Amino acid sequence: QQQVKQSPQSLIVQKGGISIINCAYENTAFDYFPWYQQFPGKGPALLIAIRPDVSEKKEGRFTISFNKSAKQFSLHIMDSQPGDSATYFCAASYAGNQFYFGTGTSLTVIP
Amino acid sequence: DAGITQSPRHKVTETGTPVTLRCHQTENHRYMYWYRQDPGHGLRLIHYSYGVKDTDKGEVSDGYSVSRSKTEDFLLTLESATSSQTSVYFCAISDFGRQETQYFGPGTRLLVL
Repeated sequence: QQQVKQSPQSLIVQKGGISIINCAYENTAFDYFPWYQQFPGKGPALLIAIRPDVSEKKEGRFTISFNKSAKQFSLHIMDSQPGDSATYFCAASYAGNQFYFGTGTSLTVIP
Repeated sequence: DAGITQSPRHKVTETGTPVTLRCHQTENHRYMYWYRQDPGHGLRLIHYSYGVKDTDKGEVSDGYSVSRSKTEDFLLTLESATSSQTSVYFCAISDFGRQETQYFGPGTRLLVL
């Protein structure tokens, strides 16, 4: 079964708007939660990551919100730009080697 | 792509034939991984290596084998390809002490007819 559940499958946002992608997990042993960005024809690239001992991490326009009790985490993209149009994957890992990915969200930012 | 190359980049093969995909890195990273990416499934870990000759299974290892005889090369072999193994295969690397930070290669698109 899917260890990490991601929603929505696709998202369309106006330029300047906020994009929000959500993920949920069950395994409380997970101790690292990264988000990856993937452009067509390319491999995924690490965007931002968080550990469960903090509730929020911000890097530029990208923020991860983490709710340990609900076993959920989300990616917020502020002031979304057409260049942010890509597929985003959340993931979770434990022991630093077994990684489980969400099914991906295709983001389209309309100019 | 962080000094990672994958070969071939595209391959078409027939059911029942063996296929080997190669991942080569120039970063001298200790950890190497093979993933497959399929619509509706995201990326799924096939096998990973934590050193030369040291490998372990991932989430979807059935039908696949790996070998790592040098730090820089990690091979993925489909012993007898099946249509269900049609996918895009990604190699990733990470360094000792920072193994959670993975860098992905450009991918290999495999079609099994």
